[in-house]
Amino acid sequence: GDSVTQMEGPVTLSEEACLTINCTYTATGYPSLFWYVQYPGEGLQLLLKATKADDKGSNKGFEATYRKETTSFHLEKGSVQVSDSAVYFCALKSNAGNNRKLIWGLGTSLAVNP
Amino acid sequence: ETGVTQSPTHLIKTRGQQVTLRCSSQSGHNTVSWYQQALGQGPQFIFQYYREEENGRGNFPPRFSGLQFPNYSSELNVNALELDDSALYLCASSSQGALGAFFGQGTRLTVV
Repeated sequence: GDSVTQMEGPVTLSEEACLTINCTYTATGYPSLFWYVQYPGEGLQLLLKATKADDKGSNKGFEATYRKETTSFHLEKGSVQVSDSAVYFCALKSNAGNNRKLIWGLGTSLAVNP
Repeated sequence: ETGVTQSPTHLIKTRGQQVTLRCSSQSGHNTVSWYQQALGQGPQFIFQYYREEENGRGNFPPRFSGLQFPNYSSELNVNALELDDSALYLCASSSQGALGAFFGQGTRLTVV
């Protein structure tokens, strides 16, 4: 079945460091891909998305490119801030058949120190 | 703020009891999905409702049931609570066919 694999955390960085959180997926067909962020004590927020190969999603300085050849959707940011400390989830939604659900990775916790 | 509200925010129940969690979807959204997120895990899909009918279900037993009302708000009911049901329960609303979903803040359920 469809699945998402994320790099394990926690990830600890200093402010202004570069961030990469790896995400790879297994899916039939051409899924849509998402990054969600969960700040402490809050619900999930959609960070960015991409719907087809080579699409680049971007938001708040974060970027991720849909790479079909490597089945990846790595999250990147050039300069992280303390306020970026959160848990980041990679997810996919199959576009095949009647699939209605988002399939999630386990999440990667990011802590940014001043 | 996404406009998806869940109540209550926290809840403590005893094993064997029943619980009802509520979700008001964002205006204009006719689809509600429920997820269970155990501590340190990603969300797991419970089920989805579209126009008051169940429209997909994950791998959860029948004691997890739901409703969607004409105003598209929704309830999640869990009977015969077990300790392992302790988790954050998330509600997400969307328009049918839309890609992204908007999540509420969740209800933290603790079963003792």
